[in-house]
Amino acid sequence: SQQGEEDPQALSIQEGENATMNCSYKTSINNLQWYRQNSGRGLVHLILIRSNEREKHSGRLRVTLDTSKKSSSLLITASRAADTASYFCATDGGSSGSRLTFGEGTQLTVNP
Amino acid sequence: NAGVTQTPKFRVLKTGQSMTLLCAQDMNHEYMYWYRQDPGMGLRLIHYSVGEGTTAKGEVPDGYNVSRLKKQNFLLGLESAAPSQTSVYFCASSGAGVNIQYFGAGTRLSVL
Repeated sequence: SQQGEEDPQALSIQEGENATMNCSYKTSINNLQWYRQNSGRGLVHLILIRSNEREKHSGRLRVTLDTSKKSSSLLITASRAADTASYFCATDGGSSGSRLTFGEGTQLTVNP
Repeated sequence: NAGVTQTPKFRVLKTGQSMTLLCAQDMNHEYMYWYRQDPGMGLRLIHYSVGEGTTAKGEVPDGYNVSRLKKQNFLLGLESAAPSQTSVYFCASSGAGVNIQYFGAGTRLSVL
């Protein structure tokens, strides 16, 4: 079964608005990552947050991690039509080369 | 720098036929992975490899075999295809250290 669960499953917003996606997981982790998948393409790594970090920024992306609640959120600010994609969280509970467990994803649609 | 390349991009098989999916990476990564992606189920790990000559089972290995004879290549085989193996298959690789994975563009397989 999947470790991560994303919420919501689908999100539709207008260009310029902020988009927030949430991820919950079940077991302890070393780090949590977010990936983006454009339609018909492979996944692309966006950002990684370690278990001892609470917040991380990268451009218009802001990720938070609450290990006590076993949850993370991805915020995309000032969204653009090009941000339309599926977003997946992935957890890594072991050492390098260990398996990532992916959530089922949030489909984000940004309307022009 | 091509990254991760998967061939073929599309394939249609009849039940019982066999085929091999090829994944090649040019980043000198130690770790390679095969996933399948089905609607509403995220990515599920089929098999993975932590180095040349090694393979290990993932979450859904039944009906698949893999080989890693060269560090840059990871092959996924279907010996006797079944309709339940209709899916999109993704290969990924990662280097030493933090497990950030780089994905190929995917192979869309239909088994009739």
